[in-house]
Amino acid sequence: AQRVTQPEKLLSVFKGAPVELKCNYSYSGSPELFWYVQYSRQRLQLLLRHISRESIKGFTADLNKGETSFHLKKPFAQEEDSAMYYCALSGQAGTALIFGKGTTLSVSS
Amino acid sequence: ETGVTQSPTHLIKTRGQQVTLRCSSQSGHNTVSWYQQALGQGPQFIFQYYREEENGRGNFPPRFSGLQFPNYSSELNVNALELDDSALYLCASSLSGIGYEQYFGPGTRLTVT
Repeated sequence: AQRVTQPEKLLSVFKGAPVELKCNYSYSGSPELFWYVQYSRQRLQLLLRHISRESIKGFTADLNKGETSFHLKKPFAQEEDSAMYYCALSGQAGTALIFGKGTTLSVSS
Repeated sequence: ETGVTQSPTHLIKTRGQQVTLRCSSQSGHNTVSWYQQALGQGPQFIFQYYREEENGRGNFPPRFSGLQFPNYSSELNVNALELDDSALYLCASSLSGIGYEQYFGPGTRLTVT
């Protein structure tokens, strides 16, 4: 079964602390993995994808095929990082996205 | 460049009624995908349209149907509304094929009473 699991509903950290948002997936094949972010009162937007290997707003994510994970990391959290984060995958056959339930990141000073 | 727009923003319907939601894709995009996001859940794929044809469908009953028009705008129709259909409905547009980013609209909040 195709599935994305985000085990944490809420992650609260202090400004400057490291952040790791967990994502595990189940998929028979080689999916493409994404992180989407939704800031307060804004629409869902792409943060990063594994094929581009970019660092966006200081966030990185490495695809670990052995552990079927795609955790999102940032070494020093900022208050403006507070948002809802969704991990998602798409298969090679098309572009339909399968989302996890999301993790709310709250960064306080 | 105009982003993805959706209408209406909110609407309230009664169980058993029918509803039509509308989406205008981003300029130049020929593929539209629809998602349902229930409260506290991630978006769930309903279906995708490419050049006016359905191009993939998620686990939703036939009473969820759609259309895509020659200008690539799209409609989502839901018949015989049920209470569980209450959700945020998201539209996303993209170019066709693997690897193209999906751009999301702001969503339509549907409440079924």
